[in-house]
Amino acid sequence: DAGITQSPRHKVTETGTPVTLRCHQTENHRYMYWYRQDPGHGLRLIHYSYGVKDTDKGEVSDGYSVSRSKTEDFLLTLESATSSQTSVYFCAISALADQETQYFGPGTRLLVL
Amino acid sequence: GENVEQHPSTLSVQEGDSAVIKCTYSDSASNYFPWYKQELGKGPQLIIDIRSNVGEKKDQRIAVTLNKTAKHFSLHITETQPEDSAVYFCAPRHGDKLIFGTGTRLQVFP
Repeated sequence: DAGITQSPRHKVTETGTPVTLRCHQTENHRYMYWYRQDPGHGLRLIHYSYGVKDTDKGEVSDGYSVSRSKTEDFLLTLESATSSQTSVYFCAISALADQETQYFGPGTRLLVL
Repeated sequence: GENVEQHPSTLSVQEGDSAVIKCTYSDSASNYFPWYKQELGKGPQLIIDIRSNVGEKKDQRIAVTLNKTAKHFSLHITETQPEDSAVYFCAPRHGDKLIFGTGTRLQVFP
């Protein structure tokens, strides 16, 4: 998985609680992305980062925030989890020299009850 | 926004046969066209990609063909094997993002 780890790998939480997912890379790549994957929707971009402290919204950003204080870590926070945020979350990275090619982590399965 | 459609949604083939998956897109400015393979419980993995200055690219049993005029590109897998069974996604580039299709589940029967 191209030097990408995600934690936790599985999480069960209750509606209304905050949740933070972590993506860690050892490749020193500039770009990092958070996607969610749901049946019938493929992968949809939530937020992405093009450098430390530089982030932007994706297609489905409502209810999510991100932070990137170090090149290697990109955090995704669900401020107040809802059942509609039950999903599998994937982190991806790409290099400045080849921004188009994205490498994906193993995913985090989140269940919001 | 960008519209990406992938067909078929499921595909079953006998081992040794060929499989073809087609992806259509709407953004005429797209210039990068990758295919990803996702095995059960894992993240998507890039298997082949093509840029708009070429019409075809091949890597062993896998090939991608691009028709920019018609705005579609296809994944071709020859001599399929059981380990090719997975979900395949196209993800044409739209601006600075990849837009993923909804996936094709390929099953290869021995």
